[in-house]
Amino acid sequence: AQSVTQPDIHITVSEGASLELRCNYSYGATPYLFWYVQSPGQGLQLLLKYFSGDTLVQGIKGFEAEFKRSQSSFNLRKPSVHWSDAAEYFCAVGAGGADGLTFGKGTHLIIQP
Amino acid sequence: DAGVIQSPRHEVTEMGQEVTLRCKPISGHNSLFWYRQTMMRGLELLIYFNNNVPIDDSGMPEDRFSAKMPNASFSTLKIQPSEPRDSAVYFCASSPDSDTQYFGPGTRLTVL
Repeated sequence: AQSVTQPDIHITVSEGASLELRCNYSYGATPYLFWYVQSPGQGLQLLLKYFSGDTLVQGIKGFEAEFKRSQSSFNLRKPSVHWSDAAEYFCAVGAGGADGLTFGKGTHLIIQP
Repeated sequence: DAGVIQSPRHEVTEMGQEVTLRCKPISGHNSLFWYRQTMMRGLELLIYFNNNVPIDDSGMPEDRFSAKMPNASFSTLKIQPSEPRDSAVYFCASSPDSDTQYFGPGTRLTVL
């Protein structure tokens, strides 16, 4: 069975500092990997996705993620965070095609002024 | 495009009542998904449809839950009878048969 682990429930970062959110997955085949962001009271917005090819993928809002097959990881990074980045971040894995996603429990990002 | 539309945005009901949540997917999308989000269990897939046909309902918690997709523009998730443990945010998402799902704003359900 597939699973996603986000080991950090909360992360606090100072505005302007760099950010890395961790994601580890368990999946039997080649995974389709996603990062979504959820602002309070809102739905989920796709930040980026990885299906194949270049293991470093660029997303919206200045985010990027790196797929490392050997470590079963898909960590999200941003070189300099803004106060507006405060939100809940979810990593997800799927089989591709019209299939459901398995989500991690999420990481709550707090931005300090 | 208006995105995925869900109604109502908030629902408060009493235990034992029937609850119906509605979703309008993005036009042209062939797949529709229902998820539930709770603090304890996070985001869980309940059921998904492809071309209006239910493909996998293994995530539906019990027989009190049912979902339909009578046409490509509309889906419902019904809970009958509702229980306090059903309180959660229910999300609908649609996909154009690719690998990306687009989420609606969710329905926050409170069962008293």
